[in-house]
Amino acid sequence: NAGVTQTPKFQVLKTGQSMTLQCAQDMNHEYMSWYRQDPGMGLRLIHYSVGAGITDQGEVPNGYNVSRSTTEDFPLRLLSAAPSQTSVYFCASSYRTVANTEAFFGQGTRLTVV
Amino acid sequence: QQQVKQSPQSLIVQKGGISIINCAYENTAFDYFPWYQQFPGKGPALLIAIRPDVSEKKEGRFTISFNKSAKQFSLHIMDSQPGDSATYFCAASSGTASKLTFGTGTRLQVTL
Repeated sequence: NAGVTQTPKFQVLKTGQSMTLQCAQDMNHEYMSWYRQDPGMGLRLIHYSVGAGITDQGEVPNGYNVSRSTTEDFPLRLLSAAPSQTSVYFCASSYRTVANTEAFFGQGTRLTVV
Repeated sequence: QQQVKQSPQSLIVQKGGISIINCAYENTAFDYFPWYQQFPGKGPALLIAIRPDVSEKKEGRFTISFNKSAKQFSLHIMDSQPGDSATYFCAASSGTASKLTFGTGTRLQVTL
């Protein structure tokens, strides 16, 4: 049972390059989210999705795009990387029901933009 | 705008002692309050969670105390162990766990 799988685990980008962070879950969860974790700031929500074809912005969406074509996958795209996007990125998934609201997190992607 | 404030930033407790981490929130629409535990190099993992219809929830050595009128909640770790050394995050959301607002984290070190 893989849970939430993120790839790659580490990445170094040059300023202006683009890349996609991959996230896949095998728990048939309706909800998926992307967070970034920075020292002293906790985790902040970037984008989230309540189902295939439906996405919305979180607290810090600028510079990131998402799409959700399947229930399982929720990739995060950086169109033109900036040093301010150096961070650890976490993908999470959860059920839709109020009674079962635990969010499961992936292992994270550590991104450095130089 | 920090909607969930967490303190202390770091905490050192002796083995067998009680660890206490506090959080305060502003948004009265929040109705789900989880605590996450994170070890270095790993993703956060749910430790325990509470909804505002109860004032306390206990699971093993971990207890959440919730004060709705003060908009505060806290995590108590009884009989703290070295294996509890990790970073702890409080969080809050309205309804489900798809949009969590996190505190800034507390790094706990349990010494022998």
